[in-house]
Amino acid sequence: DTGVSQNPRHKITKRGQNVTFRCDPISEHNRLYWYRQTLGQGPEFLTYFQNEAQLEKSRLLSDRFSAERPKGSFSTLEIQRTEQGDSAMYLCASSLAGGGVYNEQFFGPGTRLTVL
Amino acid sequence: GNSVTQMEGPVTLSEEAFLTINCTYTATGYPSLFWYVQYPGEGLQLLLKATKADDKGSNKGFEATYRKETTSFHLEKGSVQVSDSAVYFCALTSTSGANSKLTFGKGITLSVRP
Repeated sequence: DTGVSQNPRHKITKRGQNVTFRCDPISEHNRLYWYRQTLGQGPEFLTYFQNEAQLEKSRLLSDRFSAERPKGSFSTLEIQRTEQGDSAMYLCASSLAGGGVYNEQFFGPGTRLTVL
Repeated sequence: GNSVTQMEGPVTLSEEAFLTINCTYTATGYPSLFWYVQYPGEGLQLLLKATKADDKGSNKGFEATYRKETTSFHLEKGSVQVSDSAVYFCALTSTSGANSKLTFGKGITLSVRP
């Protein structure tokens, strides 16, 4: 399977703990996006990378959130001192970049986080 | 800022019924418009897109026309099947920005009865 993969698929943690999610994009894709989806809502943009550079962060991404893409391939999203409001599905997507046209974003299956 | 509004759901139809799911948007400039679908247990998939006014996107029997005058992108299908049961999201991206981040509506759940 050469699609976008995310690990773990489910994570249950206690409030105050740190969690880290991983996203492996489609291999030739140089753009990688993180979105968050809460129950009954559509996905909301969090941040995106082009290669290893993080080029934009949403105001939704508080100081407790950090994302990296160290070698321009896989990415990690870490949440420190988790709160119950962080419970959501975290989605990763990847695409090609450039050309002045929209390049389709391919989504992974998501990581569902539950904070108790 | 950009926003997408979808009609309230859920929607339940009988097989072979006609489907319309309404979507309107607010955006600066000339956005591209999309419908994404999420089948049970699967990730989001692009269903169709339209990149300029009056364009019609189509796929798997679904169609949507980019209407700039009404800022709408309603999804239609003439005859739904049980296999169309899924959550449908309308979305846009601003072509004035470099990153093509997507702005989604809330989504609507479609259930099709045999």
